[in-house]
Amino acid sequence: EVELVESGGGLAKPGGSLRLSCEASGFTFREAWMSWVRQAPGKGLEWVARIKRGIDEARSTDYAAAVKGRFFISRDDSKNTLYLQINNLQAEDTAVYYCARIYDIWSAYYAYWGQGTLVTVSS
Amino acid sequence: DIQMTQSPSTLSASVGDRVTLTCRASQSIGKWLAWYQQKPGKAPKVLIYEASILKSGVPSRFSGSGSGTEFTLTISSLQPDDSATYYCQQYNDLHTFGQGTKVEI
Repeated sequence: EVELVESGGGLAKPGGSLRLSCEASGFTFREAWMSWVRQAPGKGLEWVARIKRGIDEARSTDYAAAVKGRFFISRDDSKNTLYLQINNLQAEDTAVYYCARIYDIWSAYYAYWGQGTLVTVSS
Repeated sequence: DIQMTQSPSTLSASVGDRVTLTCRASQSIGKWLAWYQQKPGKAPKVLIYEASILKSGVPSRFSGSGSGTEFTLTISSLQPDDSATYYCQQYNDLHTFGQGTKVEI
């Protein structure tokens, strides 16, 4: 059974940094494309970042324009873990952050989601 | 960037009604569209992918259609458990979600 478990959220100050983690199990993590999606309180879903696999795609990354330069997605295939480094936190980064597994490289919808981790940015 | 626009924002209907939700893309995305259902406090759940393929385990009252820039999600006979917010998402070029349609019963 596929399981994605996020951690690392919490209260952080504006200008600070956080690293979110997503521990994966139940599938071959190194073969999967992975993403982070966030949802601000009472708002809709917003794609944040995507990382391809390392096998043949050099773990290439893509980012939403709103977060480019401040957010960094990475993966450790030896630990089956996905990361999101968030720098220079801003109030608008307050959201639930979901880790999501893309179904496969030929049909890139989100087949599996974690339960989310809440990031609150406030002084 | 591809923009996704859903309508209506909110839909009120009764049990047994047939309801249709619409999603429009700012440019052609072919068939690369998914629909998700999200209930309060929960992660989204995929219902439809590649515009019209029903995800295994999803009730057959859900169906999707469309291609290019116009897509619809239809619930043939609305059930109480369908009360949720529904999002479309394009994955032709990176990923973009629509703003959601809240279905109230």
